[in-house]
Amino acid sequence: GAGVSQSPSNKVTEKGKDVELRCDPISGHTALYWYRQSLGQGLEFLIYFQGNSAPDKSGLPSDRFSAERTGGSVSTLTIQRTQQEDSAVYLCASSLREKLFFGSGTQLSVL
Amino acid sequence: KQEVTQIPAALSVPEGENLVLNCSFTDSAIYNLQWFRQDPGKGLTSLLLIQSSQREQTSGRLNASLDKSSGRSTLYIAASQPGDSATYLCAVNTGFQKLVFGTGTRLLVSP
Repeated sequence: GAGVSQSPSNKVTEKGKDVELRCDPISGHTALYWYRQSLGQGLEFLIYFQGNSAPDKSGLPSDRFSAERTGGSVSTLTIQRTQQEDSAVYLCASSLREKLFFGSGTQLSVL
Repeated sequence: KQEVTQIPAALSVPEGENLVLNCSFTDSAIYNLQWFRQDPGKGLTSLLLIQSSQREQTSGRLNASLDKSSGRSTLYIAASQPGDSATYLCAVNTGFQKLVFGTGTRLLVSP
């Protein structure tokens, strides 16, 4: 596609449920990032994939969070046993070099 | 730990004014600095990227400067227009492709 695509755009879930967020990066981009944007706060780095290298998971806030990238393209961010503090906008970005291209994000609301 | 601060948090100006947005960072050991624009409910759009060896970058009515030694960057917007209304974010690349974001400046340009 022409840009980074994220789905769903909005997700409402109950506390304790698992959720999966999907990111389709720009074709040919080797790097993929997940960031989290909480209300009134800056973007928080979560995880970074580069080609076939092991991902940099240093930003994941707890072991309830995991992500994978299949075939060097589509990525899924999974949050298990969601908590209310997980409510935020989850943004995905891809890049070929240094300039990042962001998707529109998934607004996650945990009730 | 790198921290990025943006001042002011919000700015309201009449159409046609020239304006300056400020970004400061605590650790001068950066690879580059990017300015992004974020519209409500949408992802981020990269505006300008300045490498650590550069002093400024220009794109149309936008000019970004970088003073790495003092930990400062400014985004200058000339002849502002209502369409410039958005949140502007700066982000520093600390290496290993991790961007540290500021909390942004919300700009409103009134017709």
